[in-house]
Amino acid sequence: DTAVSQTPKYLVTQMGNDKSIKCEQNLGHDTMYWYKQDSKKFLKIMFSYNNKELIINETVPNRFSPKSPDKAHLNLHINSLELGDSAVYFCASSHGGGSYEQYFGPGTRLTVT
Amino acid sequence: LAKTTQPISMDSYEGQEVNITCSHNNIATNDYITWYQQFPSQGPRFIIQGYKTKVTNEVASLFIPADRKSSTLSLPRVSLSDTAVYYCLVGDEMGGGADGLTFGKGTHLIIQP
Repeated sequence: DTAVSQTPKYLVTQMGNDKSIKCEQNLGHDTMYWYKQDSKKFLKIMFSYNNKELIINETVPNRFSPKSPDKAHLNLHINSLELGDSAVYFCASSHGGGSYEQYFGPGTRLTVT
Repeated sequence: LAKTTQPISMDSYEGQEVNITCSHNNIATNDYITWYQQFPSQGPRFIIQGYKTKVTNEVASLFIPADRKSSTLSLPRVSLSDTAVYYCLVGDEMGGGADGLTFGKGTHLIIQP
């Protein structure tokens, strides 16, 4: 069984479109995250949710809106996609926040044309 | 914000011991030190975590001096499959902010035959 899964694995879309990436974890963790890894491989935290509540919201454009319907799911919706949004997006989960061991999903490679 | 500094890249050979050092001069009393490994096209994977002195598990050791301003990840007898990017993170377990979730650029370790 996959611990942290993301769909889709690849996403190619045009500028201006709206898209969503789904994430699910079956580890029973309380905290989930979204990270962005750009072409320079710099991995940056975007959001963190604990028990469906937003804990961390780094300097991310408000076109990005995370939604957590329950503890096991944290989806990422992106409005009005821009070229600069092209990156690999990773979902992760952990038992607690902060420095707790995180389990990462396989990533979603988003390409905006 | 406890920033970390790591070498951009390192080279070694199969069978050697590899030590990757991370500097974190502004580490706080409650901060832990965590290392992750990332292979191409995969999410990061937790390796080891420590607070002080030495921690060892089945894949690595983590050495932390008394002042905790640096730490060294030690990989014994590396193989080609250890070629990856290694990230050092510093943060506390309270999870109140993104401090412990700043991955930086990591160290690209290349193992040659």
